[in-house]
Amino acid sequence: GAGVSQTPSNKVTEKGKYVELRCDPISGHTALYWYRQSLGQGPEFLIYFQGTGAADDSGLPNDRFFAVRPEGSVSTLKIQRTERGDSAVYLCASSQPGQGTGELFFGEGSRLTVL
Amino acid sequence: AQKITQTQPGMFVQEKEAVTLDCTYDTSDPSYGLFWYKQPSSGEMIFLIYQGSYDQQNATEGRYSLNFQKARKSANLVISASQLGDSAMYFCAMRQFNNAGNMLTFGGGTRLMVKP
Repeated sequence: GAGVSQTPSNKVTEKGKYVELRCDPISGHTALYWYRQSLGQGPEFLIYFQGTGAADDSGLPNDRFFAVRPEGSVSTLKIQRTERGDSAVYLCASSQPGQGTGELFFGEGSRLTVL
Repeated sequence: AQKITQTQPGMFVQEKEAVTLDCTYDTSDPSYGLFWYKQPSSGEMIFLIYQGSYDQQNATEGRYSLNFQKARKSANLVISASQLGDSAMYFCAMRQFNNAGNMLTFGGGTRLMVKP
């Protein structure tokens, strides 16, 4: 499709397990963002990629969280040793800086539940 | 540091009436952009409207308009002629142009419920 695609849409895991969340941005968008949204709250910034490199990872909460974008397109958010507090919806967005208002285009999110 | 405040956790509006969703922001930078997004129950964030800090006129997009009061640092969203499909979460967000990227900082959101 033409929009941002995220998989899986839902992930249930046990405390301590490793999870990967995938984001396929809009074709041609060089900027990619990960946000985390807890229930009843606004999205919180995690990390921003420009091309293949992480230009800003200041929002990652700790070293259990890591993200990659090896070819400048698809990105994977990796969470090690998951904790119950990691339960949230993880939103991915992409944009093309300099185009229009520069608004971010979001996917539908991956809902992570850690039991 | 930038901060976005949405003071209305929930709002009701009668179908076909207008409603205003409040947003105030805090920044020391002269150059910034303000966005409103809609998030229906499906979860996807849908871009609605944008206002640049140097724009002279308030932004409008169809039934959406932005009441931008720069001196008060407010950017309220006005939805005219509310429809049942407008029921959703609404988020105000800000981007500072001195950022290396285009990341947005979001407020806590307002849940709008349209009554038939």
